[in-house]
Amino acid sequence: DIQMTQSPSSVSASVGDRVTITCRASQRINTWLAWYQQKPGKAPKLLIYAASTLQSGVPSRFSGIRSGTDFTLTINGLQPEDFGTYYCQQADSFPYSFGQGTNLEIK
Amino acid sequence: QVQLVQSGAEVKKPGASVKVSCKAFEYTFTSYYVHWVRQAPGHGLEWMGQINPSGGGASFAQKFQGRGTIIRDTSTNTVYMEMSGLRPEDTAMYYCARGGITVAGTPNWFDAWGQGTLVTVSS
Repeated sequence: DIQMTQSPSSVSASVGDRVTITCRASQRINTWLAWYQQKPGKAPKLLIYAASTLQSGVPSRFSGIRSGTDFTLTINGLQPEDFGTYYCQQADSFPYSFGQGTNLEIK
Repeated sequence: QVQLVQSGAEVKKPGASVKVSCKAFEYTFTSYYVHWVRQAPGHGLEWMGQINPSGGGASFAQKFQGRGTIIRDTSTNTVYMEMSGLRPEDTAMYYCARGGITVAGTPNWFDAWGQGTLVTVSS
């Protein structure tokens, strides 16, 4: 099974900051990776798929990049509404797996 | 717009079974995989399994094989996930989510989610 190791587990940042979250796959998954945002009490929301493609309606301050088996989600110009927990997910093979999550707090 | 609507919260005793429904709206039901993902309180997301609503074929993560069943009803555009032999550690929010296109074999990321169904297992 493919393991997804996500870091950091939590981050606190101020409005306007740049935030980066990393996910490392235990084996090659090409670009079969998605990023989600989840707010308390809500279902996750797809932000980015295919490692770097922005889902329709997602603000352009979110971006994703792949380097080998490392994937990075970047938020440029953090906004108050960006709080929540972020998860990566590999869609390369069964069983599809998620990272452990990164809790983003706005200072 | 695309919507998945799930059935209401359930409270079950250990050893019982639960059946959660997920009804799809505003897209061609048989064209997209439907997945189940669960989240225990205070924990992360765990993929459970998927169904191809076109042919009905389903796959479960090994952890749930033997306890989980996913079926679909194409007349009502509804997917059902049933889990038997419930344990207290199965207490979680259960989500259905739309995945990839069945005929095209597109990757399974989840672009629409149900609102979640809380299943509580307690004696």
